Amino acid sequence: EAGVAQSPRYKIIEKRQSVAFWCNPISGHATLYWYQQILGQGPKLLIQFQNNGVVDDSQLPKDRFSAERLKGVDSTLKIQPAKLEDSAVYLCASSLRLAGHDNEQYFGPGTRLTVT
Amino acid sequence: AQSVTQLGSHVSVSEGALVLLRCNYSSSVPPYLFWYVQYPNQGLQLLLKYTSAATLVKGINGFEAEFKKSETSFHLTKPSAHMSDAAEYFCAASPPGTASKLTFGTGTRLQVML
Repeated sequence: EAGVAQSPRYKIIEKRQSVAFWCNPISGHATLYWYQQILGQGPKLLIQFQNNGVVDDSQLPKDRFSAERLKGVDSTLKIQPAKLEDSAVYLCASSLRLAGHDNEQYFGPGTRLTVT
Repeated sequence: AQSVTQLGSHVSVSEGALVLLRCNYSSSVPPYLFWYVQYPNQGLQLLLKYTSAATLVKGINGFEAEFKKSETSFHLTKPSAHMSDAAEYFCAASPPGTASKLTFGTGTRLQVML
C-alpha cells in the first residue's frame, strides 16, 4: 500500500515570495490534514478536510495561508506572501475517516521550507 | 482545551538500558493518547495508542505505555534500548472518540549510546 506522498521535499524561497506544497493521501482516505512543525516543536494542525470540505481551519493564518482539496483527493497548501517565521516542515497526513477508536493518521515525509 | 507536556527534550540511555519517556496531559475528560516516532527526514509513525480500553498498551518495536488517570500520565517505556531506537518521540492527545484534532507535545529526542 502506497503511503502519503508529498512534494517537493525541500524548498528555499525569499520572504514575500509565494510557495505551494502538494499532498497525495493514501487511496480511499477521506480525511486529510496539514500540519506545521517548527524546529524544536511538535506538529501543529493547520487545516483538516473531510473529502473536499473543510472541517477545521481555526489555526490556519488565513491572511497568507490557503489550502484546497479539489475532488476530495489531492490537496495543495499555499503561502503567499511568505514570512521568515514560516520556515518549518509542513506535514500532510490522512486517515480513513473522521472519527472512531481505530482511526489512525498516516503521515507523509514532509516538505521542509526555508524562508530567507 | 487539551494540552500535552513532555518532560525532557533530550534523553540519553545506554544500549540495553531501560527507556522511559514522560508524557502528561491536561484535559477535562480523559482523551485518546498516542505516541509517535520520527526518524530524521521522515514523517511520523504511530508507535501505540490508548483509546479507553486497556490501560497498558503495547506497541511496535517493543514499546509500551500505561495510561494513569490519577496522574494524568501516559509514559512510554521499553525494557532494553537498541541503537535503532534513536529518534524523536512525540506524545499526542485527541478528544475521546476520534483520532482527529491531535495536539502534540514538544517532543523528546532519544539518544542511545554504546
